[in-house]
Amino acid sequence: DTEVTQTPKHLVMGMTNKKSLKCEQHMGHRAMYWYKQKAKKPPELMFVYSYEKLSINESVPSRFSPECPNSSLLNLHLHALQPEDSALYLCASSHPWGGAGNQPQHFGDGTRLSIL
Amino acid sequence: DAKTTQPPSMDCAEGRAANLPCNHSTISGNEYVYWYRQIHSQGPQYIIHGLKNNETNEMASLIITEDRKSSTLILPHATLRDTAVYYCIVRSPIYNQGGKLIFGQGTELSVKP
Repeated sequence: DTEVTQTPKHLVMGMTNKKSLKCEQHMGHRAMYWYKQKAKKPPELMFVYSYEKLSINESVPSRFSPECPNSSLLNLHLHALQPEDSALYLCASSHPWGGAGNQPQHFGDGTRLSIL
Repeated sequence: DAKTTQPPSMDCAEGRAANLPCNHSTISGNEYVYWYRQIHSQGPQYIIHGLKNNETNEMASLIITEDRKSSTLILPHATLRDTAVYYCIVRSPIYNQGGKLIFGQGTELSVKP
């Protein structure tokens, strides 16, 4: 079982809907990540939070809005998505890079998002 | 861009060792080699990582060549449950890179009975 929990596991939404993806970890990690994975492609980084502050945004469209309300939670708010945004959205956590050294990222099993 | 090259697919007989190669000829002296795998419909799972020395844990062994330009992940006794996509990743130690993982295309390993 993964130590990073993502909800919901599946989400279907229309292009005008607003929804949120949630990610939770209780490993004491202070870095959290969002990745996007299209079918049969490798994961691609979207955002990095370090100590609850956004440290990296990989030029993600503004219709994706991340939020880190505390050290255990990470949200991804979705609004006005396009069909091409349909993908598996993965959350990961780790000790902050450079903090506890070269610690690995731990991934959740993702939310499979379909945009109608 | 990913800094690694891996064969797109490999087969392995159940019970035999699976040796997965990775080329990272442009690796810098302070960059780590990480291996993850992704079983269908699951998130990536951390396997092992190393800098210069060979490493072993309960899942696998990592052999890094002396010049660090390539490495091999070894699953000593492959089982059907090891069927997955295996990713070799070079990870920057630079703090403002956030420790991000840049995934390449990976190797799809099929373990057959």
